[in-house]
Amino acid sequence: GGIITQTPKFLIGQEGQKLTLKCQQNFNHDTMYWYRQDSGKGLRLIYYSITENDLQKGDLSEGYDASREKKSSFSLTVTSAQKNEMAVFLCASSRDWENTLYFGAGTRLSVL
Amino acid sequence: QQQVRQSPQSLTVWEGETAILNCSYEDSTFNYFPWYQQFPGEGPALLISISSVSDKKEDGRFTIFFNKREKKLSLHITDSQPGDSATYFCAAPNYAQGLTFGLGTRVSVFP
Repeated sequence: GGIITQTPKFLIGQEGQKLTLKCQQNFNHDTMYWYRQDSGKGLRLIYYSITENDLQKGDLSEGYDASREKKSSFSLTVTSAQKNEMAVFLCASSRDWENTLYFGAGTRLSVL
Repeated sequence: QQQVRQSPQSLTVWEGETAILNCSYEDSTFNYFPWYQQFPGEGPALLISISSVSDKKEDGRFTIFFNKREKKLSLHITDSQPGDSATYFCAAPNYAQGLTFGLGTRVSVFP
């Protein structure tokens, strides 16, 4: 078994601020993902990475940067937080794109 | 454009009843359909999945029915329990996009 650890659990930011979310996995999975979850809008893919140092944009990549520093970690940066933005950011990993995704518990973002 | 659609948006059943969740898709290249279950404050977790070569997959009280011709699936939760109260997502894997998720169905089971 393994676990996905996301930090922080809660993040409160100011409008225009750059904010970084971190994700660690110990499954030894090659592929990692960042999804954004908004109420009523399901899960939307922001970035994914199929191996260390690889980055692929998802449908929602504008306004975000990502970094796959090593196989076990994947970071997401909100480049300029939007006022009143509220969402949950979910990190996941899988052996490859056809296999089960394992999700972390999420980082809950609020922007004042 | 939404490629995976779910209905209803929310569903309430009494304990012991069968909850039926629906899913439809557009891309005929999808060949594997996992369903994820998400409890409040947690990330989604794989509940059950089906390959497009099957028309039914059962795991305990959870059953997927698949109609490939109509591009539709349904998840049946029989003998629903309060602990089944969660949001259920139908999904399909796509090489270019990872998993494409539907918007989810929120199920509430009352005792």
